[in-house]
Amino acid sequence: KQEVTQIPAALSVPEGENLVLNCSFTDSAIYNLQWFRQDPGKGLTSLLLIQSSQREQTSGRLNASLDKSSGRSTLYIAASQPGDSATYLCAVSGGGADGLTFGKGTHLIIQP
Amino acid sequence: NAGVTQTPKFQVLKTGQSMTLQCAQDMNHEYMSWYRQDPGMGLRLIHYSVGAGITDQGEVPNGYNVSRSTTEDFPLRLLSAAPSQTSVYFCATQQMSSYNEQFFGPGTRLTVL
Repeated sequence: KQEVTQIPAALSVPEGENLVLNCSFTDSAIYNLQWFRQDPGKGLTSLLLIQSSQREQTSGRLNASLDKSSGRSTLYIAASQPGDSATYLCAVSGGGADGLTFGKGTHLIIQP
Repeated sequence: NAGVTQTPKFQVLKTGQSMTLQCAQDMNHEYMSWYRQDPGMGLRLIHYSVGAGITDQGEVPNGYNVSRSTTEDFPLRLLSAAPSQTSVYFCATQQMSSYNEQFFGPGTRLTVL
């Protein structure tokens, strides 16, 4: 059974810092990996999706990398801002119809 | 386009009551699914559907029923609510040809007393 782990569980950094969130998964036979953002009391917003054949994806200040063979992904946030404060979730898809397997998330606080 | 909508936003039930959580989408996505999110557990798949008339169980289906009569709607039914079903419920959709990128609704926060 696929398991997804996110480290750290919580992170607090001053505004302006670059930071890295980590995600690892136990079964490397994935179809894709998706990073989400969740604000308190809200739904999930898709940030980046990386196909299994890709190494990275970029959107603005966000860069996600994927090392499928080692079962790892990182989400890099450049020049962090207080508005980046949220919980970040990593999820992997096996490619079938049985949905995504989620990590428990990293709760990020950016201090002004 | 509204995307994925869920109603109600909040609901309080008593043990044994029944209710239906509604999910609707206007993106013409074939795939729809329901997840529950609990503290310390992450999101877990309850049921999913790959098209109208087709549903299947996910990781935690017990206590929940679903049906899919149209592409747009995928309601989740609790027949006899239990305190263990207190959770936040999310509906998600996906176009089967779009590399499995999933889009989530805003959620329904359910409390069972």
